[in-house]
Amino acid sequence: AQTVTQSQPEMSVQEAETVTLSCTYDTSENNYYLFWYKQPPSRQMILVIRQEAYKQQNATENRFSVNFQKAAKSFSLKISDSQLGDTAMYFCAFMKGRAAGNKLTFGGGTRVLVKP
Amino acid sequence: DTEVTQTPKHLVMGMTNKKSLKCEQHMGHRAMYWYKQKAKKPPELMFVYSYEKLSINESVPSRFSPECPNSSLLNLHLHALQPEDSALYLCASSQERGVINEQFFGPGTRLTVL
Repeated sequence: AQTVTQSQPEMSVQEAETVTLSCTYDTSENNYYLFWYKQPPSRQMILVIRQEAYKQQNATENRFSVNFQKAAKSFSLKISDSQLGDTAMYFCAFMKGRAAGNKLTFGGGTRVLVKP
Repeated sequence: DTEVTQTPKHLVMGMTNKKSLKCEQHMGHRAMYWYKQKAKKPPELMFVYSYEKLSINESVPSRFSPECPNSSLLNLHLHALQPEDSALYLCASSQERGVINEQFFGPGTRLTVL
């Protein structure tokens, strides 16, 4: 079974600064995918960024980027130029394979507060 | 249309009531999911339907009964619930297309069991 661990329950950051969220996972699989989801207070969960395990290049989506270290089983998220709208719960998630209907395993979440 | 909709937004029910949650998507996705989420916790998978067939049941109590009438619609029937079942119930859908099977989440139904 896969496990996903987020070691930081809460983090705060000043607006316009950078914050890095950590995520580690444990798996014996070779074909898997990693995701960061964002869940703002009382709002819908949305995908922030995703990474295919077979790709060495780190994924980037605008102000969001990841540092994927496959050997260390680490998948951290960097939020650059933080904005007030980035305040949310962030979940790291693991999925084995890419077939429709595969299970998504979530970490415990990191609450990020962006301060003005 | 890249949206998963859920109704109702809020639901209060007694332990003897029968109610249903509804989830709909029109993205042509062939996998649909029910999750339960307690406050400040990650979503916990309950059920997965793949091509309208139940493919995963995470040992959910029988007082929760899922149904997938067609590829766009997913229901969760509730009966004789307990107060500890109060939570946010999330629906999601996904399609194996292109590179990665991303799950799209609905806004959830906040359920309170009295």
